[in-house]
Amino acid sequence: DAGITQSPRYKITETGRQVTLMCHQTWSHSYMFWYRQDLGHGLRLIYYSAAADITDKGEVPDGYVVSRSKTENFPLTLESATRSQTSVYFCASSGVNYGYTFGSGTRLTVV
Amino acid sequence: QKEVEQNSGPLSVPEGAIASLNCTYSDRGSQSFFWYRQYSGKSPELIMSIYSNGDKEDGRFTAQLNKASQYVSLLIRDSQPSDSATYLCAAVPGGGADGLTFGKGTHLIIQP
Repeated sequence: DAGITQSPRYKITETGRQVTLMCHQTWSHSYMFWYRQDLGHGLRLIYYSAAADITDKGEVPDGYVVSRSKTENFPLTLESATRSQTSVYFCASSGVNYGYTFGSGTRLTVV
Repeated sequence: QKEVEQNSGPLSVPEGAIASLNCTYSDRGSQSFFWYRQYSGKSPELIMSIYSNGDKEDGRFTAQLNKASQYVSLLIRDSQPSDSATYLCAAVPGGGADGLTFGKGTHLIIQP
C-alpha cells in the first residue's frame, strides 16, 4: 500500500532497554522526520533526514539515534529507554513543499 | 528560540457559525505556514498551506497570513460537529531545512 507506515502501534518497554521504532514510506520523499507529541508540549522535532545517509538533530535529540540507509526507511532507536521518553511518536515525510504526511504514530510507554 | 503560539482553548463555536483560529510566530524569516487538523488519538493531517500575504480559500476553509504582524489564522465557515478537533499551526523556520515548528494546538468544539 502506498503511504507512510509506522510500527509498532503500541509498545511497552522497561527502563534501560533499547527500543527501535520503524517508519517506512512509499513515495520516495526526500525528507523524513521524527516528532514526539506530549501533553503541554505539542509536537517536537527529534531528528530529521534530507536524504539517505543525511540526518540532523532537531529540538530534542538526546537519548535517540536515527539512521537512513535507504530512502524509504527511517528508524528511530531509543538506546536506553527512560520514563521521560514515554510519548506518542510520529514519523512524517514530505516532498519539496513541506506538506508533511504523518504516519499513524507509535504510543510508547516506558515502565 | 523560534516559537509558534496558539491559544490552547477550548474554543466552543455553535454549529453553522464561523470558527476563527489564530496563530502568531516569532521567526521573521519564516515564509511558509501550514494548518493541520488532529482528531483525538489520530495523527495530524494537512488541511491548508499558505505562503503569501493575504487570504487563501479552499472549500469551507480560509487561511490568512500577515507577515508584517507575524500572524496566521484559519477560518472555518459553516462549522460542523465533524470539525471538532485540535488544530495545529506550523511554520517553516527561516533557512528552511530544520523541519516544521508546530504550535501546541487549539482545541475546537463545534456545538450541535
